[in-house]
Amino acid sequence: DGGITQSPKYLFRKEGQNVTLSCEQNLNHDAMYWYRQDPGQGLRLIYYSQIVNDFQKGDIAEGYSVSREKKESFPLTVTSAQKNPTAFYLCASSGFSGNTIYFGEGSWLTVV
Amino acid sequence: GENVEQHPSTLSVQEGDSAVIKCTYSDSASNYFPWYKQELGKRPQLIIDIRSNVGEKKDQRIAVTLNKTAKHFSLHITETQPEDSAVYFCAASSPPSGTYKYIFGTGTRLKVLA
Repeated sequence: DGGITQSPKYLFRKEGQNVTLSCEQNLNHDAMYWYRQDPGQGLRLIYYSQIVNDFQKGDIAEGYSVSREKKESFPLTVTSAQKNPTAFYLCASSGFSGNTIYFGEGSWLTVV
Repeated sequence: GENVEQHPSTLSVQEGDSAVIKCTYSDSASNYFPWYKQELGKRPQLIIDIRSNVGEKKDQRIAVTLNKTAKHFSLHITETQPEDSAVYFCAASSPPSGTYKYIFGTGTRLKVLA
């Protein structure tokens, strides 16, 4: 778990602004994921990536974008098109063959 | 599509009693089933997992059972303690076939009453 670093931990977004959440892992994992968690709710998949320069939409990709230029990094941009972005965002990673998924400490995003 | 149903959504037990949380999955190709514990405001943390070639796994007060025929798996916590209070998520994962999607259950809020 300690090998996944998310930043910032707390972020405030103004209306119409794009913000980027950082996720870095040093576990040499191939796959990386972004989940959104609303208060008292479960985990919803935003995007995932199996290899560098490739990523797939999850269940709630609208209003979000990602990149995977390096194996270690999978940043998430919350665009102005995401009208209700206030939530807890969790980055995760896993090794090949569907191994255990590990989570970062999360980032709290609030719209002000 | 694939889904994982988790029950109950909330569970209250007296300290020292046992707690059981059940999940049912739809994808018969699923072969890996982890359980996560999430404390308030923190990240989910793996507490136990089981693979499809095993029927039961135990780690101290925590055990997981898997019934592949019925496509369900359960988390058992014995001798519950107040620090077991948290939200628990089950998940199911399929072998790599172009996707690495873990399907999570909706969570169970466990309250252990002292």
